[in-house]
Amino acid sequence: KAGVTQTPRYLIKTRGQQVTLSCSPISGHRSVSWYQQTPGQGLQFLFEYFSETQRNKGNFPGRFSGRQFSNSRSEMNVSTLELGDSALYLCASSPRGGRAGVGETQYFGPGTRLLVL
Amino acid sequence: GQQLNQSPQSMFIQEGEDVSMNCTSSSIFNTWLWYKQDPGEGPVLLIALYKAGELTSNGRLTAQFGITRKDSFLNISASIPSDVGIYFCAGPIIQGAQKLVFGQGTRLTINP
Repeated sequence: KAGVTQTPRYLIKTRGQQVTLSCSPISGHRSVSWYQQTPGQGLQFLFEYFSETQRNKGNFPGRFSGRQFSNSRSEMNVSTLELGDSALYLCASSPRGGRAGVGETQYFGPGTRLLVL
Repeated sequence: GQQLNQSPQSMFIQEGEDVSMNCTSSSIFNTWLWYKQDPGEGPVLLIALYKAGELTSNGRLTAQFGITRKDSFLNISASIPSDVGIYFCAGPIIQGAQKLVFGQGTRLTINP
């Protein structure tokens, strides 16, 4: 079974631009979560989607948004990019997004590394 | 908000040595998770703990759910070169959900 895939793997943008990142979950998984990873703040939860609905949200500004399609694929968008948005953006999928852990393991993709200049 | 304090931040050990790291929180968690992240990859779940006092093993890895529910420990016995990486503890911010908070990570380096 193919793992979580994220595209693109690397991206360079300039301040003020917007960016869209894509995540394809493991086949059959309906929950997709997004995380931002930076050296200073570590791994931080952005949001989770299940059945095309945002179910949970982290403490990020409205510039960060996402959506999920009927095939469970998800995209996240960051508008008006700032230098501090440079990070590794990780996507994780799980079968139903239930209690975290074995059985509802979050499988992470390799991430998209975004550099904002 | 909830935070997880993980220590040590880094470890430099010799191959064959045992490793211990821990994670503490000011809040109670009902699930503790331990992940490992290799360079260029996303985190991979190593062990999940669901009950206070629980001790669970996965090969040479053993993790414990603290009695107070505010801490957890991960031990690696007889370390080998492929153990190199960053280890994270994590717990769900919301009970029964996938919204996780992560510790800062422990970077493990092994000298052969």
